Amino acid sequence: DAGVIQSPRHEVTEMGQEVTLRCKPISGHDYLFWYRQTMMRGLELLIYFNNNVPIDDSGMPEDRFSAKMPNASFSTLKIQPSEPRDSAVYFCASSLDYNEQFFGPGTRLTVL
Amino acid sequence: GQQLNQSPQSMFIQEGEDVSMNCTSSSIFNTWLWYKQEPGEGPVLLIALYKAGELTSNGRLTAQFGITRKDSFLNISASIPSDVGIYFCAGQLRGSQGNLIFGKGTKLSVKP
Repeated sequence: DAGVIQSPRHEVTEMGQEVTLRCKPISGHDYLFWYRQTMMRGLELLIYFNNNVPIDDSGMPEDRFSAKMPNASFSTLKIQPSEPRDSAVYFCASSLDYNEQFFGPGTRLTVL
Repeated sequence: GQQLNQSPQSMFIQEGEDVSMNCTSSSIFNTWLWYKQEPGEGPVLLIALYKAGELTSNGRLTAQFGITRKDSFLNISASIPSDVGIYFCAGQLRGSQGNLIFGKGTKLSVKP
């Protein structure tokens, strides 16, 4: 079975540009999570969805960040405009019952 | 916010040695999860624990859910070079849904 799929794996962009990260969760999983990982702060939950509905977005750093889940098999995390401090690895994870979360390979974002 | 204290931060051991790491908190958790992350990859779920006192094994890995529900430990027996990576504990607070809180990780290095 395919795991969580994320694209792109690497993204390098310039400050001020819009960045869109994509995620395809494991089929049948009702929960989808977006995390950010940095050396300083570790793994931080940004937002999660249940049945395509955003449940908790309290971890989204600011209005420049937005996430959507238009259907059960696709989600996006958008940063507009991007800033150098957004540089991090962004993970998408999915789970059947919000307990055992399965992570994708991540997108390494570098904002110059 | 809530914190998990994971220790040790790093370990340098000889192949064949046993390893022990733990996570503690001042809060009560309903679920404890242990993940392993290798460079350039997302965290991979190793063991999930759901009941206080529960002891669960996965090959050479054994994890326990502390009786007080405020801690958990992970043991690796007879370490091998491929055990190298960062091990994260993650807990779900009592009364919450979806929000996993992650420890800062234990970086394991194994010398052949």
